[in-house]
Amino acid sequence: SQTIHQWPATLVQPVGSPLSLECTVEGTSNPNLYWYRQAAGRGLQLLFYSVGIGQISSEVPQNLSASRPQDRQFILSSKKLLLSDSGFYLCAWSWLAGDHNEQFFGPGTRLTVL
Amino acid sequence: AQKVTQAQTEISVVEKEDVTLDCVYETRDTTYYLFWYKQPPSGELVFLIRRNSFDEQNEISGRYSWNFQKSTSSFNFTITASQVVDSAVYFCALPRGNMLTFGGGTRLMVKP
Repeated sequence: SQTIHQWPATLVQPVGSPLSLECTVEGTSNPNLYWYRQAAGRGLQLLFYSVGIGQISSEVPQNLSASRPQDRQFILSSKKLLLSDSGFYLCAWSWLAGDHNEQFFGPGTRLTVL
Repeated sequence: AQKVTQAQTEISVVEKEDVTLDCVYETRDTTYYLFWYKQPPSGELVFLIRRNSFDEQNEISGRYSWNFQKSTSSFNFTITASQVVDSAVYFCALPRGNMLTFGGGTRLMVKP
């Protein structure tokens, strides 16, 4: 079976500090990978998605970046965090691109920027 | 453009009541899929169901049922005899290619 891991689970960082969130998937190959952000009390915003190693598409301009150094590893980074980067970050995977493929989500990372 | 609207931002019921969560969508595609997810307080989104546009039969899974009405572009979710463990935020979503368009979510609170 497939599992998706995210770490850390919670993170408190000062404004201006760097960020690295990691997501790994087990039990599948060549997944599509996604990063979402959920601000408090709001819906889900797609930040990045990747269909393969080194292939990243950005949906929203921001001071975040994503990388996919390995097939089942997806990293969300920032060089300097802003207060507005606080939120709940969710990683997800799907089998293939296509309208009928549901996305499966990880447990999330709760980021607080002070 | 794709759009999903969940007009009910918050619903509060007492345990054992039935509750229906509304979802209205917009798409120009003639065939499409719709999903429902549950987000319990722990935060992880749990996939509940996938329906395609050419199957309008209602789906039932235990206390959960879904009513898909293509004529009104709605995909409503009913929980029968609600329980405290049903308390969560529920999202309706419309996929297209690599993208999932989510509704704003409905927070369901089931009180004992």
